[in-house]
Amino acid sequence: AQRVTQPEKLLSVFKGAPVELKCNYSYSGSPELFWYVQYSRQRLQLLLRHISRESIKGFTADLNKGETSFHLKKPFAQEEDSAMYYCALRVNSGYSTLTFGKGTMLLVSP
Amino acid sequence: KAGVTQTPRYLIKTRGQQVTLSCSPISGHRSVSWYQQTPGQGLQFLFEYFSETQRNKGNFPGRFSGRQFSNSRSEMNVSTLELGDSALYLCASSLAGRQFFGPGTRLTVL
Repeated sequence: AQRVTQPEKLLSVFKGAPVELKCNYSYSGSPELFWYVQYSRQRLQLLLRHISRESIKGFTADLNKGETSFHLKKPFAQEEDSAMYYCALRVNSGYSTLTFGKGTMLLVSP
Repeated sequence: KAGVTQTPRYLIKTRGQQVTLSCSPISGHRSVSWYQQTPGQGLQFLFEYFSETQRNKGNFPGRFSGRQFSNSRSEMNVSTLELGDSALYLCASSLAGRQFFGPGTRLTVL
């Protein structure tokens, strides 16, 4: 069965510092990877997906199939980036089902 | 378009009771998925419906069930509630591989 691991429960950085939220997955096929974000008192929302190869709010993520990783990066953290970040995986393009990691809380201090 | 809506937003039940939660997807979305979110286990997939058919199911006991109606609205039911069923239940509707989440129903079992 597929699995998503986010090794850090909490990541605390200062404003302007680079950020990297780690995500590793286990799946023998070719999954689709996502990052979701949940700001305080807001609903879970899609941040980005690997097939789009886009940058949202300054965040990027590259799928590394050799290392089975999909780390989320931002060169300069902002206070408004403070939120819970979830990495998720979808294995079957016919289904919408997502397997989530446990999440990483990002705290950006002034 | 209006987002995914869930009712009720909060619910308190006692052990042994049963509960029904409702989800209205974004107009035009035919796929609805349900997830359970708890502090210990994170986000866990319950089931997915498409065009009134359950097409995927997570690893939850038979006390958890759901259905989808012809207008794509979905309900999930939990019978014989246990203390461990206390959680935030999230519904998501999907289109083209993107999932959009509702605000959730917070269920507390006493």
